[in-house]
Amino acid sequence: GNSVTQMEGPVTLSEEAFLTINCTYTATGYPSLFWYVQYPGEGLQLLLKATKADDKGSNKGFEATYRKETTSFHLEKGSVQVSDSAVYFCALSSAPGGGADGLTFGKGTHLIIQP
Amino acid sequence: GAVVSQHPSRVICKSGTSVKIECRSLDFQATTMFWYRQFPKQSLMLMATSNEGSKATYEQGVEKDKFLINHASLTLSTLTVTSAHPEDSSFYICSARDPNKGYNYGYTFGSGTRLTVV
Repeated sequence: GNSVTQMEGPVTLSEEAFLTINCTYTATGYPSLFWYVQYPGEGLQLLLKATKADDKGSNKGFEATYRKETTSFHLEKGSVQVSDSAVYFCALSSAPGGGADGLTFGKGTHLIIQP
Repeated sequence: GAVVSQHPSRVICKSGTSVKIECRSLDFQATTMFWYRQFPKQSLMLMATSNEGSKATYEQGVEKDKFLINHASLTLSTLTVTSAHPEDSSFYICSARDPNKGYNYGYTFGSGTRLTVV
């Protein structure tokens, strides 16, 4: 079956530090990959996505590249801000077209950015 | 953008009672909604897929009679936890996809419901 493994937190960084949150997956076929972010007290929001190998998703300074050879989709940001503090979820969908069924999530990584 | 509203955000109930959680798509019609459950420090686990006008599809291991799902309209799905017990205490979250957007757009999530059974 499908599974997503991401680094467990909390991850604590200083403002302007470089961020990497690792995510690897196991899936049949060619899944679509997503990063979602959950700010305190809010629902999950789509941060970025990639639908095929070597695609790079990017948004708000975050980016992740779909690496089929290493089955990875690591999230990176060059300079984090306090406002980036949140829980980040890596997820995949293996349905045809990437959206016809529910998502498989990682456990989430709590990111804390200190001023 | 697509908005999904979920209520209540928090609920405390007594053991043996039933609790209903609502999930509404506010600005689009959702033929399919998804219900997830999240235990502390665990992944969101898909419980069931709710299809408008038909029976929900439950994931393996999810009790259909305990977690009743109704999707009577294109904008509303409800999850009823029947005869709740303390082990049902969890964070429940719904999601939906706007069918007018591409398949790879991703899903819109509600803000979740924290259920505590005492």
